[in-house]
Amino acid sequence: DQQVKQNSPSLSVQEGRISILNCDYTNSMFDYFLWYKKYPAEGPTFLISISSIKDKNEDGRFTVFLNKSAKHLSLHIVPSQPGDSAVYFCAAKYGGSQGNLIFGKGTKLSVKP
Amino acid sequence: DAGITQSPRHKVTETGTPVTLRCHQTENHRYMYWYRQDPGHGLRLIHYSYGVKDTDKGEVSDGYSVSRSKTEDFLLTLESATSSQTSVYFCAIRDSTGNTIYFGEGSWLTVV
Repeated sequence: DQQVKQNSPSLSVQEGRISILNCDYTNSMFDYFLWYKKYPAEGPTFLISISSIKDKNEDGRFTVFLNKSAKHLSLHIVPSQPGDSAVYFCAAKYGGSQGNLIFGKGTKLSVKP
Repeated sequence: DAGITQSPRHKVTETGTPVTLRCHQTENHRYMYWYRQDPGHGLRLIHYSYGVKDTDKGEVSDGYSVSRSKTEDFLLTLESATSSQTSVYFCAIRDSTGNTIYFGEGSWLTVV
């Protein structure tokens, strides 16, 4: 039973436009949420995160929104660039000291010039 | 750069042979993890460690064992490799905030 779901396996966006990647979760015990980006043949790299006590976090072109009532988070990339083409993983962390991350299956973003 | 080195980076092995993947970190992090990535499954936790000689299972631990005899090294062993263990394996560490993990470059394992 998936606790973190990324329902769109792929997304295609035109360069300069907004990319919106979505993630749903089921467990209200998650206290922290993260997005990772992964290029082929490389390890995932941390992109941006948000605590469960906030509803928005921004870092340059990247903004993460959290809607706790809907158990939904999204990553906005504005403007999208061809170099943003990658697989994006959403992850959620359990509260407490153990705090392991649970990952979604990923969304492949393609940004076309 | 989280100071993580994985070895080997690429390996081809035969079914039934033992395989050990090594993860080495240079920054004294307490928590270390082994994940595998497969198409359609995302990143799944195999085992993790919360200190020297302290390890626990993740969601896909069957067929794998781990050891951590030193803070800096976390070993993943496939006692008898099977074709279903063909995958990309990522080691990770948890940072000092306790909220973020950082991954190594990956080890590509093919079991034939």
